[in-house]
Amino acid sequence: DGGITQSPKYLFRKEGQNVTLSCEQNLNHDAMYWYRQDPGQGLRLIYYSQIVNDFQKGDIAEGYSVSREKKESFPLTVTSAQKNPTAFYLCASSPGHLDSGGNTIYFGEGSWLTVV
Amino acid sequence: AQSVTQLDSHVSVSEGTPVLLRCNYSSSYSPSLFWYVQHPNKGLQLLLKYTSAATLVKGINGFEAEFKKSETSFHLTKPSAHMSDAAEYFCVVSGPLYNFNKFYFGSGTKLNVKP
Repeated sequence: DGGITQSPKYLFRKEGQNVTLSCEQNLNHDAMYWYRQDPGQGLRLIYYSQIVNDFQKGDIAEGYSVSREKKESFPLTVTSAQKNPTAFYLCASSPGHLDSGGNTIYFGEGSWLTVV
Repeated sequence: AQSVTQLDSHVSVSEGTPVLLRCNYSSSYSPSLFWYVQHPNKGLQLLLKYTSAATLVKGINGFEAEFKKSETSFHLTKPSAHMSDAAEYFCVVSGPLYNFNKFYFGSGTKLNVKP
């Protein structure tokens, strides 16, 4: 089945640690995204990538880093510089081109990160 | 500038009664518009999308939305609510043609369905 796979579903981080969230898609999409969602709040864009080896900061990039070495993969590292990382993280992708149906964004199942 | 406003943060209906979730957008171009549903601890699932074809768009699970350019609205409706519809709903607008990889999200509406 085609889709977006995020792992792990639940992750615990100690103070001062870096952690990496995995995101893999087999939809052959060019664009990929990371969003942060805090309880009871909407989505905020962390980083996005429109093509391999290129990515742009979103609205809340401080304390996060990404890479896009392969089309299928867009891992997110939450660094120790992110002071309040406890949140639900959503990876998404879109075809990255326009067709008769426009451009549409699709989401993975999300990952919970908790600081302990 | 593009923006999306979901007019209600919480909506409560009884099972079997109609659902109306309101969304207004601001855009300087003809956007694509979307509704997504999110169940607890899950990702967002696409319900329906409007891309300048028919103004009344039918989606999954009996939902539909009507694009009204004059009112800059894209309200989501369902004739009869089911308990399984309880979730959070997001209205989304796409970016302009020169930046179509951008998406703008509303703040969400939590739908509660009472038995």
